[in-house]
Amino acid sequence: GAVVSQHPSRVICKSGTSVKIECRSLDFQATTMFWYRQFPKKSLMLMATSNEGSKATYEQGVEKDKFLINHASLTLSTLTVTSAHPEDSSFYICSASRGGAGGELFFGEGSRLTVL
Amino acid sequence: GDSVTQMEGPVTLSEEAFLTINCTYTATGYPSLFWYVQYPGEGLQLLLKATKADDKGSNKGFEATYRKETTSFHLEKGSVQVSDSAVYFCALSAGSGNTGKLIFGQGTTLQVKP
Repeated sequence: GAVVSQHPSRVICKSGTSVKIECRSLDFQATTMFWYRQFPKKSLMLMATSNEGSKATYEQGVEKDKFLINHASLTLSTLTVTSAHPEDSSFYICSASRGGAGGELFFGEGSRLTVL
Repeated sequence: GDSVTQMEGPVTLSEEAFLTINCTYTATGYPSLFWYVQYPGEGLQLLLKATKADDKGSNKGFEATYRKETTSFHLEKGSVQVSDSAVYFCALSAGSGNTGKLIFGQGTTLQVKP
């Protein structure tokens, strides 16, 4: 099946710094990627929809200035957590759609962010 | 709003036992329903799906039937294996054709012991 890779898988940073997480579709072009956040023992929450070449669409309650999303190419979307705080510590998961917004989703392995 | 509720875990079973993981949903319209599985250290993978009422999705011995009357999509397997140990997520996709905006249940951890 199709492969989606996230990097880094784990990152620890100090409060106030910014962290970038990459999501790559390795063997297909993804015009649409999605970013989710997962809290312990909670479901995945959709944060935003990332479209190649245009601004991301954020879900209600998600701060777009805090979670910067850039979908610069058909195989790469990045999520930057700016001025991170301990409450931003979480598991972030991306998914990529093969075949546009209605295509089958393939998920990355997830990135665990810990903010000290 | 739309939501998905799964049974609390963890679920611990012996090998070859029968598995049921309950999933119920609340949605306007006619959502598509999915089961995803996350094996340790890996990303989520689509296990099976159903797009309309009475459809049965099946894969790797797992199956689930879209029940509109009970708004349920319970996951079943007749005989589990140790390799089935994973976290299982029920999800729905509201809106026609847009499988990207998925709403997930909280996940159910399955542990199968030899």
